[in-house]
Amino acid sequence: DTGVSQNPRHKITKRGQNVTFRCDPISEHNRLYWYRQTLGQGPEFLTYFQNEAQLEKSRLLSDRFSAERPKGSFSTLEIQRTEQGDSAMYLCASSPPLAASYNEQFFGPGTRLTVL
Amino acid sequence: AQSVTQLDSQVPVFEEAPVELRCNYSSSVSVYLFWYVQYPNQGLQLLLKYLSGSTLVKGINGFEAEFNKSQTSFHLRKPSVHISDTAEYFCAVRPYSSASKIIFGSGTRLSIRP
Repeated sequence: DTGVSQNPRHKITKRGQNVTFRCDPISEHNRLYWYRQTLGQGPEFLTYFQNEAQLEKSRLLSDRFSAERPKGSFSTLEIQRTEQGDSAMYLCASSPPLAASYNEQFFGPGTRLTVL
Repeated sequence: AQSVTQLDSQVPVFEEAPVELRCNYSSSVSVYLFWYVQYPNQGLQLLLKYLSGSTLVKGINGFEAEFNKSQTSFHLRKPSVHISDTAEYFCAVRPYSSASKIIFGSGTRLSIRP
């Protein structure tokens, strides 16, 4: 197992275009998380899936953002009509089924989005 | 609600010197505490975590942290740093009751001078 993978690693787009990112979690991890990290800041939570169900969404996730995890495995994050303020690193994390009160989140390398 | 404050945005230190990165948190509920490290162009790696029990926790790469409940602090320390420790360090919390989001501080950039 090679950990959480994210594609693409870098994306440059023009303002107004749509972009889609993919996250492949560690196999058998049923929980998947998306975070956004802007320059000089810590990651901020966007949304969270348990299997295919999206259980929590941050207020940061505007109507232009949509995340899916159709079969409970990989997930996609789409941003429509990108704005320059969307430029950030988008991080994905996964965690195993909740066996105890704590379960660790394992982070992927991130997708760096630049909106021109 | 929870918040995390990292008091220093940058910490320069000479190689082989000791270092302390400060972290304070605020929460109305019990939380788990974490330190993550982020090397350039990489994702986050867990350095150490406090779940319960002994307030002094040891992590990878020789780092340790001490949980102080009365001061709501979780400072990270290393007795002797190396050039390879150059990275961004994030303090974070997660409520006991939540299986979801981690709340991160704004990070401290540790730069090691030879």
